Amino acid sequence: GEDVEQSLFLSVREGDSSVINCTYTDSSSTYLYWYKQEPGAGLQLLTYIFSNMDMKQDQRLTVLLNKKDKHLSLRIADTQTGDSAIYFCAESRFSGGYNKLIFGAGTRLAVHP
Amino acid sequence: DVKVTQSSRYLVKRTGEKVFLECVQDMDHENMFWYRQDPGLGLRLIYFSYDVKMKEKGDIPEGYSVSREKKERFSLILESASTNQTSMYLCASSRVTSGVYNEQFFGPGTRLTVL
Repeated sequence: GEDVEQSLFLSVREGDSSVINCTYTDSSSTYLYWYKQEPGAGLQLLTYIFSNMDMKQDQRLTVLLNKKDKHLSLRIADTQTGDSAIYFCAESRFSGGYNKLIFGAGTRLAVHP
Repeated sequence: DVKVTQSSRYLVKRTGEKVFLECVQDMDHENMFWYRQDPGLGLRLIYFSYDVKMKEKGDIPEGYSVSREKKERFSLILESASTNQTSMYLCASSRVTSGVYNEQFFGPGTRLTVL
């Protein structure tokens, strides 16, 4: 995950907004993804954004993309205890003739009462 | 729903043993992947396969091999397990698409401990 960087931990109070940040290095990435991993489970796609978009909203989730700074963020409104998980940022990269996903190290979100 | 299953959730092996991790997907996906997940390092790609009997090295293939004899099954093999291979192993699959949209579907993971 050295090309995609995220902070490792975030702690928020229930009901507050959470903002998870990610930076990436490949300016040619066309899709950027957020995956969620709940305890003891595999990763599940949460949302994604195409590189020609600045923002995407899906219910409580808002994704912001700043292509100039290669910065991606995920905002979760009204954070609930069920949102406690590890969140992975990933970029889609075409390399060696194949599409690959490059993942960040993951941000562990802890929601407390 | 796409389902990716892995043969074991937890596995404990001894140093030097040969270890097989099995992954099966039921959505006729062409692509399959093996990752290992370690705290602070995220997911690192070990091997992937874009077709039956085809394999490509990922970023950390040393100490591992793979087998894909059938489209739905992708096996990861540790020829001689070592303690530094203690990790969570995740299998994923995806469909071939004409663009670069690349949603991968993940199994629940196998937590391997090598003693």
